[in-house]
Amino acid sequence: DQQVKQNSPSLSVQEGRISILNCDYTNSMFDYFLWYKKYPAEGPTFLISISSIKDKNEDGRFTVFLNKSAKHLSLHIVPSQPGDSAVYFCAASVGGGADGLTFGKGTHLIIQP
Amino acid sequence: GAVVSQHPSRVICKSGTSVKIECRSLDFQATTMFWYRQFPKQSLMLMATSNEGSKATYEQGVEKDKFLINHASLTLSTLTVTSAHPEDSSFYICSARGGNRDEQFFGPGTRLTVL
Repeated sequence: DQQVKQNSPSLSVQEGRISILNCDYTNSMFDYFLWYKKYPAEGPTFLISISSIKDKNEDGRFTVFLNKSAKHLSLHIVPSQPGDSAVYFCAASVGGGADGLTFGKGTHLIIQP
Repeated sequence: GAVVSQHPSRVICKSGTSVKIECRSLDFQATTMFWYRQFPKQSLMLMATSNEGSKATYEQGVEKDKFLINHASLTLSTLTVTSAHPEDSSFYICSARGGNRDEQFFGPGTRLTVL
């Protein structure tokens, strides 16, 4: 049973436009959500996180939105840059991040020039 | 800040041998370290959680006698894959959490190939 779902295996976006990556979860106990960026054969790099007490968190070009009623979160990247091309993982945790993370399968974002 | 290293980055071993992977937090004290495994085209799967000085907590389906975890200090955790088999071939990644940060910071991963 997959508790964190990223239903789009890949997404292609033109440089300069907005990239929107989506994530759904089923476990209502999750209270902390994170987005990671990953290149092949490397560990994930932390991008941004959000606590369940918030519905939005912004850091530079990255904004994460959380809709608890829909059990849905999204990552917005604007403007998209070529260096943003990577696999993006959505992750969730119980206990405010103290526990291990449950990851989605990832979305491969391709930024086209 | 928040740099995590892993060693080795790549290892090839014969079936039946044991392999040790080290995970170090270089610039912070990691009260908790986590070990994940990623099979090709799959997501990262949590294997175990370890707190410094105490026994690791393993996820369901992960054999604690096969995957030995030691968290001897606030900056070092080791994962030993005992009696490795070809099906243990995978990408093993550690993460560390500590200080005032809630997020986990990941190491670069170790590619294990068992022949």
